[in-house]
Amino acid sequence: DIQLTQSPSFLSASIGDRVTITCRASQGVNSHLAWYQQKPGMAPKLLIYGAATLQNGVPSRFSGSGSGTEFSLTISGLQPEDFATYSCQQLSNYPYTFGQGTKLEIK
Amino acid sequence: QLQLQESGPGLVRPSETLSLTCTVSNGSISSYYWTWVRQSPGKGLEWIGYIYYSGSTNYNPSLKSRVTISVDRSRNQFFLRLTSVTAADTAIYYCAREANFYESAGPLYYFDYWGRGTLVTVSS
Repeated sequence: DIQLTQSPSFLSASIGDRVTITCRASQGVNSHLAWYQQKPGMAPKLLIYGAATLQNGVPSRFSGSGSGTEFSLTISGLQPEDFATYSCQQLSNYPYTFGQGTKLEIK
Repeated sequence: QLQLQESGPGLVRPSETLSLTCTVSNGSISSYYWTWVRQSPGKGLEWIGYIYYSGSTNYNPSLKSRVTISVDRSRNQFFLRLTSVTAADTAIYYCAREANFYESAGPLYYFDYWGRGTLVTVSS
């Protein structure tokens, strides 16, 4: 299985900050990587797929980059509704796998 | 817009079978891959497997011997069956749709619609 390691696991930031979350894959996944946002008691919400393509309706302050084994999710100008847990997912090889999650908290 | 809703028992006894239903509304179950994902308390997400609308399946090897996913296109539903459950199977179970987008380099895949999830506790 392809292992995905996210860093950091916890992140404390303020409204308006720019933050970056990294996802490293144990082997190359090309651009077959997605990012999800999850709030307590809610289902995951797709933010980005294909490493860098923004899902319809997702604010442009979210962006993704990377290819192969190293990826990042950047939020430029944090809003109150952005404080949540973020997870990456590889869809290159079965079984699909997810990162362990990064919890973004308000400082 | 498309909606998915999980349903089934919230409590299952050890060694018994977990059975869940995902009902798809405001859209057809035809086409697409329909998946199950779970999240154990305090842990990350785990892909369980998918069923294509035609009936073909693919399962996570870690669960393959115990999992069956099936579909009823006439009812716009698909199902999860997990046998011989233990406490380690306690989790929130989500159903989701896997879609794809074709670009020049080939298709890109993603899970675009999810149910709200249902908590299943394995306990005697």
